[in-house]
Amino acid sequence: GENVEQHPSTLSVQEGDSAVIKCTYSDSASNYFPWYKQELGKRPQLIIDIRSNVGEKKDQRIAVTLNKTAKHFSLHITETQPEDSAVYFCAASISGNTPLVFGKGTRLSVIA
Amino acid sequence: SQTIHQWPATLVQPVGSPLSLECTVEGTSNPNLYWYRQAAGRGLQLLFYSVGIGQISSEVPQNLSASRPQDRQFILSSKKLLLSDSGFYLCAWSVQVFSSPLHFGNGTRLTVT
Repeated sequence: GENVEQHPSTLSVQEGDSAVIKCTYSDSASNYFPWYKQELGKRPQLIIDIRSNVGEKKDQRIAVTLNKTAKHFSLHITETQPEDSAVYFCAASISGNTPLVFGKGTRLSVIA
Repeated sequence: SQTIHQWPATLVQPVGSPLSLECTVEGTSNPNLYWYRQAAGRGLQLLFYSVGIGQISSEVPQNLSASRPQDRQFILSSKKLLLSDSGFYLCAWSVQVFSSPLHFGNGTRLTVT
């Protein structure tokens, strides 16, 4: 089955710096890659997603890049702010076959 | 618009007691429904998912069970709770395609004492 590895497990950055979280997946048939943000005690919320026919997608300070050849995708947060502090989860899915498989999460701390 | 309701928000139960968590979705038909568990500071563990009424797939063998008596209702149950059942339980829905966004409920924080 699909396996998703997420790195790093924890990340601390200074406010205003960029943060990058990387995930690798095992099944080359995977075609949908969402990212979720979970604040302490809250539910995970979708922040951005990308499909395999696209290499990059941006939404204001957040971007996701996908390298299908290397089977990895990354979340980029620019100009980080304290409210970006949260746990971020990546996930991957094989279309129509199985539920999303999540990475183990990255705890991002933005230091003011 | 679609909404997902999950209750209760918090629950403290003694070991050996039964459990029933309920989740309902509004504003959509025939959704996929999911139950996840999250231990403290850990990742999201998929427990059960359902693609239709009465159809339940179990991902992890344990003393929990799930049922889908109606199209937009998903119930997580246990006959006898264990200490290890403590955690944050999240219900979620998606459209009838696995490669689509998951929408999570607010979760139930269960403490088994």
